[in-house]
Formats: sequence, structure tokens, C-alpha cells
Amino acid sequence: AQSVTQPDIHITVSEGASLELRCNYSYGATPYLFWYVQSPGQGLQLLLKYFSGDTLVQGIKGFEAEFKRSQSSFNLRKPSVHWSDAAEYFCAVGPYNTNAGKSTFGDGTTLTVKP
Amino acid sequence: EPEVTQTPSHQVTQMGQEVILRCVPISNHLYFYWYRQILGQKVEFLVSFYNNEISEKSEIFDDQFSVERPDGSNFTLKIRSTKLEDSAMYFCASTLRSGGEQYFGPGTRLTVT
Repeated sequence: AQSVTQPDIHITVSEGASLELRCNYSYGATPYLFWYVQSPGQGLQLLLKYFSGDTLVQGIKGFEAEFKRSQSSFNLRKPSVHWSDAAEYFCAVGPYNTNAGKSTFGDGTTLTVKP
Repeated sequence: EPEVTQTPSHQVTQMGQEVILRCVPISNHLYFYWYRQILGQKVEFLVSFYNNEISEKSEIFDDQFSVERPDGSNFTLKIRSTKLEDSAMYFCASTLRSGGEQYFGPGTRLTVT
């Protein structure tokens, strides 16, 4: 069964500081990996995705993520955080080529940005 | 850019009432999903639907839930007799191919009183 672990429930960083949100996944085959951001009361916005190819993927809003198969990780990074980045971040894994193809989400990481 | 839409954005209902949440997936997509997010918790898979039948459902998706694609454009989630614990944000998603990127709608916030 597929699963996603986001070890950090809550992270606080200062504005302008760098950010790394951790994500570890468990899946027996080629995963399809995603990071979503959710502001309070809002829907899910896709930041970036990884399916194959270059293991460093660029997303919107200056975010990037690196897929490391040996560590089963897909950590999200941003070199300089802005106050507007404060939100909930979800990592998700979806299977590449099976029926149904549901996504499994992690528990999320709440990001607080200090001025 | 095509997008998934959901109506209503917020639904308030009394316990025991039936509700129908509506979704319009992206027009050429073939696989459809419902997810649920209880306030402050993670997004959970409810059900997937393909070729006019359920492909997979989670343990949350009990006999109180049903899905339907009544025409070529809508995809609905019905809860027959709502409970307080059904209060959540419900997201619809669709994808063109199995295992492909899922496109999520903005969600319907269901409040059961």
C-alpha cells in the first residue's frame, strides 16, 4: 500500500530564510509525486509534480523539489520564504500505471513565517 | 485552461438530511474521484470512478455514500443521511488517464448541524 510521511507537523521560519519541507513515501513501483499548498479554507493548489526525468523539479512561486529514490524522499525547498508562503503544505503520491490511480496524501506541514 | 468546478461552495444541512455535491470534471477526462478533508486533517481518498462504475473505494465510503455520473458532464456524490462527522471539505478530482495527474476542484465545504 502506498503511504506518505511528512515528519514535521509545524515549521516556523523567518521571512527571507530558506525552507525545506520533508516528505517520505512508500510505494512499490514508480511513484507520481506532488506537492500541494492550501491556504486556510481554500482548495488545493499544485506547486509541482514529479513523474520521471530530471530529479530536481521546479514549480510555481519559486518552489523546487528533489526526488531521491534511494531515500524515498521528495523534499520541497525554497531559497527565500515570503510572508505569503504561510500555509499548509501537503505531499502526495499517486501510482503511475494502475487502475483507479488514487492519490495518497501526507498529514501536512503547517508553515508559519515570522516577520 | 480547463478546470474542475464544484457546486455549491458551501452547503449547510441538518443531521439526517440527504445532500448531493456536484462536480463538473474536465471535459475529456475519464477517471473521477472524491476526496474528503476534515478540518485540520489530511486529505483522504473516498472513491474513484471509471467507465460508469466504482473502481475503488475506501472504508470511509460506506452505504451512506453513492456516486453517479448522470450525464456526460456531471459527477455527483450523494450522502443519504448525513451525520455530524460528515462535516468536511469535499474535493472532486479528474484525470485523463489512470495514474495521471489529478486535477482538483476548489472543494465544497459541508457543514452538518
